[in-house]
Amino acid sequence: ETGVTQTPRHLVMGMTNKKSLKCEQHLGHNAMYWYKQSAKKPLELMFVYSLEERVENNSVPSRFSPECPNSSHLFLHLHTLQPEDSALYLCASSQAIGKGGTEAFFGQGTRLTVV
Amino acid sequence: GQNIDQPTEMTATEGAIVQINCTYQTSGFNGLFWYQQHAGEAPTFLSYNVLDGLEEKGRFSSFLSRSKGYSYLLLKELQMKDSASYLCAVEDSNYQLIWGAGTKLIIKP
Repeated sequence: ETGVTQTPRHLVMGMTNKKSLKCEQHLGHNAMYWYKQSAKKPLELMFVYSLEERVENNSVPSRFSPECPNSSHLFLHLHTLQPEDSALYLCASSQAIGKGGTEAFFGQGTRLTVV
Repeated sequence: GQNIDQPTEMTATEGAIVQINCTYQTSGFNGLFWYQQHAGEAPTFLSYNVLDGLEEKGRFSSFLSRSKGYSYLLLKELQMKDSASYLCAVEDSNYQLIWGAGTKLIIKP
């Protein structure tokens, strides 16, 4: 399997549920990212990991908790979400951070609906 | 603040040419990307410009003017499969990507 794989593709959860999104990359990249994509809005960077260390946390509410156990896997743990958190959550990877022109490879995303 | 502007939606005819514009105001500039995203799919890389001028890659070309804070993506010989959203993103001085909201391109027969 190649590229960036995200599971599940679709998720419906209640506001009191706890769920996790999973991302796996088979590209040998050192950097991984979580983005939120809402309709007609720019991609919002949530978290950045470089060599399993978190290097960016863009004022994301604590109900979103990332985990990067190794350079190939990234999780986003979800807890007591709000309906406005419904969106497409995209995972991406790149060779490194801090280098100009580094292409990001995206997964197909998890379509999350909070009810 | 940092801002990327691109049209929300455009319509073009199969076989024609379309130009999607992107203007930006960012804290520094380390390059500009264009990505394509089909509905329900992952964004995929199309082009990267860091110097002024036109970069051609098959039916797709991307242009950059750093002095004007302006780029465009030119799609020639449009095909139905080109119906997608096109995302413009600028790398700022910290190499962080600032994204536009995307332009949804609709191709009609």
